[in-house]
Amino acid sequence: TQLLEQSPQFLSIQEGENLTVYCNSSSVFSSLQWYRQEPGEGPVLLVTVVTGGEVKKLKRLTFQFGDARKDSSLHITAAQTGDTGLYLCAGAGDAGNMLTFGGGTRLMVKP
Amino acid sequence: DAGVIQSPRHEVTEMGQEVTLRCKPISGHDYLFWYRQTMMRGLELLIYFNNNVPIDDSGMPEDRFSAKMPNASFSTLKIQPSEPRDSAVYFCASSLAPLSSYNEQFFGPGTRLTVL
Repeated sequence: TQLLEQSPQFLSIQEGENLTVYCNSSSVFSSLQWYRQEPGEGPVLLVTVVTGGEVKKLKRLTFQFGDARKDSSLHITAAQTGDTGLYLCAGAGDAGNMLTFGGGTRLMVKP
Repeated sequence: DAGVIQSPRHEVTEMGQEVTLRCKPISGHDYLFWYRQTMMRGLELLIYFNNNVPIDDSGMPEDRFSAKMPNASFSTLKIQPSEPRDSAVYFCASSLAPLSSYNEQFFGPGTRLTVL
């Protein structure tokens, strides 16, 4: 069974601060996705990373896939209150059809 | 497209009753997934279908749970009999192709189930 551990589980910061969320596993994934979920809604895809060492930027969000494709990080620069939500990482195995989700990081950005 | 549609959005029932959750995937998507989300266990895959055929149901907790996909535009997840520990938010998601092809899963809004 492939497991993904996210840290921290909870994070409360002030608007304007930077933060990093980590997603770690002992397993190798063919690709890794990051989702954001708001209360009362389903998760929405932010990014997919496929190549070891890959870095993708989405405005103030920077995503990195580890060289060994076992871990990933999400860095947010100058957080805004609109960034509040549950951030989930999800890894796809070799078959590519199923996702294993991490436990999530619940982010609260205070004004 | 309206996205993935789930009904009902909220369901409150008593222990022992049958519960049926419904999902309409995005038109043209070949894959349909059922997930359960709780604070304790996070988001867990229950079962997924490819072209209406169940491919992996290893996440289905026990025989009380069953899922069907009679056609490409409709799926159900049934719990009979329901128990309080089944209380959770159940999500349906669909995708166009295997995830290794950069395709994302599109999630519905979820059904919040409370079993008293």
